[in-house]
This record gives sequence, C-alpha cells and structure tokens, in this order.
Amino acid sequence: GQNIDQPTEMTATEGAIVQINCTYQTSGFNGLFWYQQHAGEAPTFLSYNVLDGLEEKGRFSSFLSRSKGYSYLLLKELQMKDSASYLCAVTDSNYQLIWGAGTKLIIKP
Amino acid sequence: NAGVTQTPKFRVLKTGQSMTLLCAQDMNHEYMYWYRQDPGMGLRLIHYSVGEGTTAKGEVPDGYNVSRLKKQNFLLGLESAAPSQTSVYFCASSRQGEVYQPQHFGDGTRLSIL
Repeated sequence: GQNIDQPTEMTATEGAIVQINCTYQTSGFNGLFWYQQHAGEAPTFLSYNVLDGLEEKGRFSSFLSRSKGYSYLLLKELQMKDSASYLCAVTDSNYQLIWGAGTKLIIKP
Repeated sequence: NAGVTQTPKFRVLKTGQSMTLLCAQDMNHEYMYWYRQDPGMGLRLIHYSVGEGTTAKGEVPDGYNVSRLKKQNFLLGLESAAPSQTSVYFCASSRQGEVYQPQHFGDGTRLSIL
C-alpha cells in the first residue's frame, strides 16, 4: 500500500529552527510537495522537490532523498505566524497526489 | 484575485438529504479535484477532472457524484447524505500536464450530517 508518515505534532520556540520529517512508500515517484495549512484555512503551496538535494526559499527549505524515501521541511527564524499544519504529499506513478496526515507545528514565545 | 471559490462555506444536513457543493476557479486550469479532510487523516481524493466534460473516481468516491459541464466549475453532489460524510471538503485546481504544478485550494466547505 501507499503510505506517507509525518509526526503528528511538534513544538518549537519563536526565533528557533525546526525540521519536519516526512517518509514515504508509494507506487512510483514523480515529486514531493510541502503545503502549509493554518487552522480553518486552505492548504497553500510551499515547495516542490523532484531531484535529490536541498531547495531553499527564504526562511523555508525542503530536502529530498529519493533513495531513502525521505524529505524534510526546515523552517528558520520561526515566527508566531508559522504556527500551522504542514502537509507532505507525493505524486505517484499515476500522477495522483498521496497526502500525509500533516504535522501540527506549535510555536511558543 | 478570486482563485478557487467554494460555496457554501458551512452546511448542516439531516441524514438522507441531498445537496451540491459548488467550486469555481478563474485561473483557466484544466484539472480540478474534490478532497475530503478528516481529523488525523491526510486529504483524500473523492473525484477529479482533467478537463471539461470529463470526470474520474479518486480514492473515496462512494456516495458522491460530480459534474464538470464548464471548465471553470466542478460540482460535488451528495445524493443521500450519511453521518460518515461529515467532513471538510476542499476543491482544488491545477494546470495541465506539468507534474510540478501545485494545486490551488478553495477555503473549504464544512459539512455536518446529523
């Protein structure tokens, strides 16, 4: 079966760095997305990785290792507004998005 | 910048009632999707469409029907609502073809079935 695993919840301090991990087992791989979802709102696109390595976009970076079926989202200089759920999703061989359950990130002052 | 618009935002139904959720996008996207989101679970695809007049089943299609009569609109119907269909429903759209194109989501419809 297809499976995406993320921690359910993480807590971090304002100004710090946090890494949210995602491991996946899917039938084929055509890329991995990270989305941010604030409570009661729509998911919004953060990043896309299809090749191994690190993609940096401002305070957010995303890493992919296809051989390990592993990705992480790195958030630097955390702000209170970063409190949200972070969703990992993989495009499988049928070009369907398979979604993880999301990681709820709590930022404390 | 409307993007993807869903109506209604909230609805309470009784078991056995029917209703239609409306989704409209103004980005000229070919692909449209309906998802449901339940606590502790990832987004699950109900139905999707790769173009006007076409629809296909996703992971959890039972109890739902869809129509894509116009490119900009994608309708999700519940013929006979059941409590198990209590959920938050999201519509999304994306460009055709390129796998790296992200999906753009509406604000969701919160549906409760009593």
